[in-house]
Amino acid sequence: DTGVSQNPRHKITKRGQNVTFRCDPISEHNRLYWYRQTLGQGPEFLTYFQNEAQLEKSRLLSDRFSAERPKGSFSTLEIQRTEQGDSAMYLCASSLIIVVAANTEAFFGQGTRLTVV
Amino acid sequence: GQQLNQSPQSMFIQEGEDVSMNCTSSSIFNTWLWYKQDPGEGPVLLIALYKAGELTSNGRLTAQFGITRKDSFLNISASIPSDVGIYFCAGLFTGNTPLVFGKGTRLSVIA
Repeated sequence: DTGVSQNPRHKITKRGQNVTFRCDPISEHNRLYWYRQTLGQGPEFLTYFQNEAQLEKSRLLSDRFSAERPKGSFSTLEIQRTEQGDSAMYLCASSLIIVVAANTEAFFGQGTRLTVV
Repeated sequence: GQQLNQSPQSMFIQEGEDVSMNCTSSSIFNTWLWYKQDPGEGPVLLIALYKAGELTSNGRLTAQFGITRKDSFLNISASIPSDVGIYFCAGLFTGNTPLVFGKGTRLSVIA
């Protein structure tokens, strides 16, 4: 296992189109996060899964965004009717949560850079 | 909501110099993580801190978890050109809360 893998690395789409990104976490990791990062900013939390359950969604995740992790392994993030403001780097991270404690490290993928034209 | 303030926002240093950057929070965190991000790549974990007062090293990097649990700092000794990048601090309150990131410190090393 070489770490968290994200596909595609880059996506250019026309405004109004739908896009879907995929994240494959580190194989034994049960926690998966999605973040969004715009230029000059730190990553901003979007949502996370514990196994297949989506436990939290931020206010940044509008109705046009949906994320799934159907079998508790890979995850997809779909953006419907894309807008220019959706242009950003979308980052996925995974971690292993054994007990509900703060001793956890999150490892990131290389990200998917979305450009909406 | 929780916010992390990183300083400085950017630094220009000579190769070989030591670097220090810090991160402060309005809230308590129980874990501090430091990441480095190169252009077009995802953040790479450098150091993880789990206890107040903890001092941890990773090669030329040293990080400390502040006693108040509201701050952390990262030092880089004898900087080299490949240290160039953006350094992010991230705080975690519990295992059921997401990582909260600062806005980053952009480091430039002049050879």
